[in-house]
Amino acid sequence: DGGITQSPKYLFRKEGQNVTLSCEQNLNHDAMYWYRQDPGQGLRLIYYSQIVNDFQKGDIAEGYSVSREKKESFPLTVTSAQKNPTAFYLCASSRLRRGSYEQYFGPGTRLTVT
Amino acid sequence: AQTVTQSQPEMSVQEAETVTLSCTYDTSENNYYLFWYKQPPSRQMILVIRQEAYKQQNATENRFSVNFQKAAKSFSLKISDSQLGDTAMYFCAFQEAGANSKLTFGKGITLSVRP
Repeated sequence: DGGITQSPKYLFRKEGQNVTLSCEQNLNHDAMYWYRQDPGQGLRLIYYSQIVNDFQKGDIAEGYSVSREKKESFPLTVTSAQKNPTAFYLCASSRLRRGSYEQYFGPGTRLTVT
Repeated sequence: AQTVTQSQPEMSVQEAETVTLSCTYDTSENNYYLFWYKQPPSRQMILVIRQEAYKQQNATENRFSVNFQKAAKSFSLKISDSQLGDTAMYFCAFQEAGANSKLTFGKGITLSVRP
């Protein structure tokens, strides 16, 4: 089955620790994205990558880092510099279809930092 | 920068009835795409429908249709014959045409379908 996987579904960390969220896709999509979702805020773009070995900051990149060494993988590291890391994180990938880049989402990871 | 506004935080509809969810956006671009995504309680985001700005005809997908008013920068979603499974958050999203594939999302609206 083709799709996007994110692991784990729930993640707990102590304040001050870095944590890496996994995102893998086998859809052969070129572009991948990370969003953060908070109550009442909608989805906000953290980072995106349109091609391997290249990525761009989104609207709220501070305190986060990414890498894109393989087409299938786009891990997100939440560093200790992120002031409010507790949130629901969504990964997406996209393909060019009928002129637009339709995004498809993974199931998400709920990160809780205490 | 583009902005997407969903001004109604919550709506409720009786099963089998029709409901319309509102969305407005602001852009100086002429070519772009608009999307509605659904996020049920499982939190899995699902693409519901898309609209190309250069098309005058409103998009439809089964019970879902849009009312796209380009001059007014309005993009509402109509759900006909509402079902309990339509209970979800709905997000409106904007994408510029061209190589940049970023989406800009509204804050979403929570729709409850009553039995």
